[in-house]
Amino acid sequence: GAGVSQTPSNKVTEKGKYVELRCDPISGHTALYWYRQSLGQGPEFLIYFQGTGAADDSGLPNDRFFAVRPEGSVSTLKIQRTERGDSAVYLCASSATGTVNTEAFFGQGTRLTVV
Amino acid sequence: AQTVTQSQPEMSVQEAETVTLSCTYDTSESDYYLFWYKQPPSRQMILVIRQEAYKQQNATENRFSVNFQKAAKSFSLKISDSQLGDAAMYFCAYRRGYGNKLVFGAGTILRVKS
Repeated sequence: GAGVSQTPSNKVTEKGKYVELRCDPISGHTALYWYRQSLGQGPEFLIYFQGTGAADDSGLPNDRFFAVRPEGSVSTLKIQRTERGDSAVYLCASSATGTVNTEAFFGQGTRLTVV
Repeated sequence: AQTVTQSQPEMSVQEAETVTLSCTYDTSESDYYLFWYKQPPSRQMILVIRQEAYKQQNATENRFSVNFQKAAKSFSLKISDSQLGDAAMYFCAYRRGYGNKLVFGAGTILRVKS
């Protein structure tokens, strides 16, 4: 696609429910990143994929959070048993490779609200 | 762990004037990259400018330039001839030379007055 696409744009869910957030990276980009941006804060790294594999998942806050990228393109961030503290904007970014000389392009994020 | 600090929660500038946004960072690495991102209300992060730590020359991109002081671990962004479209949240970010993830500061809201 022309840019990084994230769906849904907004998601409201009840505490305790399961949610999936989708990221469709720029076509051909092998590296994909998820970040979480809480209100009034900068984005915080969650997980990085190189191809299909999670190369770095050190930012996932706990085992309720999980992400997959089965075919090396679209990625899904999954959150189980959501809590009110999970409310944030979830940003996805992709780059042509995972090397430092390539620019990461961001999507417009999914705003998750847990009520 | 690396940290990025933006000490100005909010800044204002008159249209056509110049404004400087501050950023300091902490790292023990010698090879790294620094970035300024703009985030408008649409939420999409847009790269404004980047600086390689090994380069002594300050990066410039049209009306945007940086003042990179490696010894002081300071990386400020100067916006010249400010325009209404520059109004947004600005984030300073750091990435290790052989790393992939970005470490962001808390951001500075820039307001541009007409």
